[in-house]
Amino acid sequence: DSGVTQTPKHLITATGQRVTLRCSPRSGDLSVYWYQQSLDQGLQFLIQYYNGEERAKGNILERFSAQQFPDLHSELNLSSLELGDSALYFCASSPVGSVYNEQFFGPGTRLTVL
Amino acid sequence: GQQLNQSPQSMFIQEGEDVSMNCTSSSIFNTWLWYKQEPGEGPVLLIALYKAGELTSNGRLTAQFGITRKDSFLNISASIPSDVGIYFCAGVYGNNRLAFGKGNQVVVIP
Repeated sequence: DSGVTQTPKHLITATGQRVTLRCSPRSGDLSVYWYQQSLDQGLQFLIQYYNGEERAKGNILERFSAQQFPDLHSELNLSSLELGDSALYFCASSPVGSVYNEQFFGPGTRLTVL
Repeated sequence: GQQLNQSPQSMFIQEGEDVSMNCTSSSIFNTWLWYKQEPGEGPVLLIALYKAGELTSNGRLTAQFGITRKDSFLNISASIPSDVGIYFCAGVYGNNRLAFGKGNQVVVIP
């Protein structure tokens, strides 16, 4: 158990819908990262937050957005869903003062868009 | 973006054998990480490498950070059934971002 929690574990929805994925980082970790894992693209970095502020953006679509709240939990919002958005979405957190960016991953949310 | 190439993509090995896997990139990284992912779970950090040429062990796992900083390898010695999973390499770049390889699927045959 990495200490990172994600809910829900599974999500099934229809095209055009909007969903919210939730992540709680390890106790004390200020950084949260979101990743998408699909069979053809592998693990792709989406976005990073540090202590409530957006720190870096990766291959995140405009239909997707995220935020980190004062209690440090984070939410990833996916809207106007398409079939191709079906994937595993992981959240990771890293320790404060980690120079080497050891990221610890949650168990993931499996999103299926029908 | 940063691209990491892992080879081979999948390996079937006999229990007790050693297995090696490689990760290469055209980009330089300052940190290399190796993760293992089992079905239904998130990637778990196995080994972190911080210095070119560094050789680090974690139990039966040994990993090395290439001198050119463009490659790394992971070795698993005396494999056991619970070693089955997908092994990912990752390089740290930019503002503490990770670029991942596509993974090596390891299957251990009892």
